[in-house]
Amino acid sequence: EDKVVQSPLSLVVHEGDTVTLNCSYEVTNFRSLLWYKQEKKAPTFLFMLTSSGIEKKSGRLSSILDKKELFSILNITATQTGDSAVYLCAVLNSGNTPLVFGKGTRLSVIA
Amino acid sequence: DGGITQSPKYLFRKEGQNVTLSCEQNLNHDAMYWYRQDPGQGLRLIYYSQIVNDFQKGDIAEGYSVSREKKESFPLTVTSAQKNPTAFYLCASSIWAGVQPQHFGDGTRLSIL
Repeated sequence: EDKVVQSPLSLVVHEGDTVTLNCSYEVTNFRSLLWYKQEKKAPTFLFMLTSSGIEKKSGRLSSILDKKELFSILNITATQTGDSAVYLCAVLNSGNTPLVFGKGTRLSVIA
Repeated sequence: DGGITQSPKYLFRKEGQNVTLSCEQNLNHDAMYWYRQDPGQGLRLIYYSQIVNDFQKGDIAEGYSVSREKKESFPLTVTSAQKNPTAFYLCASSIWAGVQPQHFGDGTRLSIL
């Protein structure tokens, strides 16, 4: 059974801090790993990672995948209160089956 | 703008009632999904459909039913057999099941009276 484990489950930081969110996975025939940000309602897509060692970057957010060790990290530098959200990690296998999601990390950024 | 519309945003159910949650997309996507989200639980898959008139059970399908009569619509019925239906329900779609990312609607929050 495919499995995704995120850590920590929750995190409180001050504005300006740098945070690292972790996602480890076990999946048959891995294809991709995705990160989403969920504020109050719909999760919004952040990154999709397919290859090891290639960093994806968008502003203050970046993510990298290690297919040998079966994990990914999501980094947020110079955090702002607007980064407060639940960050979801999900994996896709090579069949036509849906994403498998982790439980998410709830990040709270305080001023 | 293309997107996914879920309705209603909030829904209250009495014990023993069936209720139907609506999900409509105008993205021309073949695949659609229903997820349930409980606090601290992430997203759990209820049902998904890869094409019109076809759907498959997800991890927690018991007490739920779906239909896919039109490409743009994938309603979810929460039946009286679902003993703990209070949750946040999210609908999503993707171009087809093997292609990501999924796009999500804004969700329906279901509560029991």
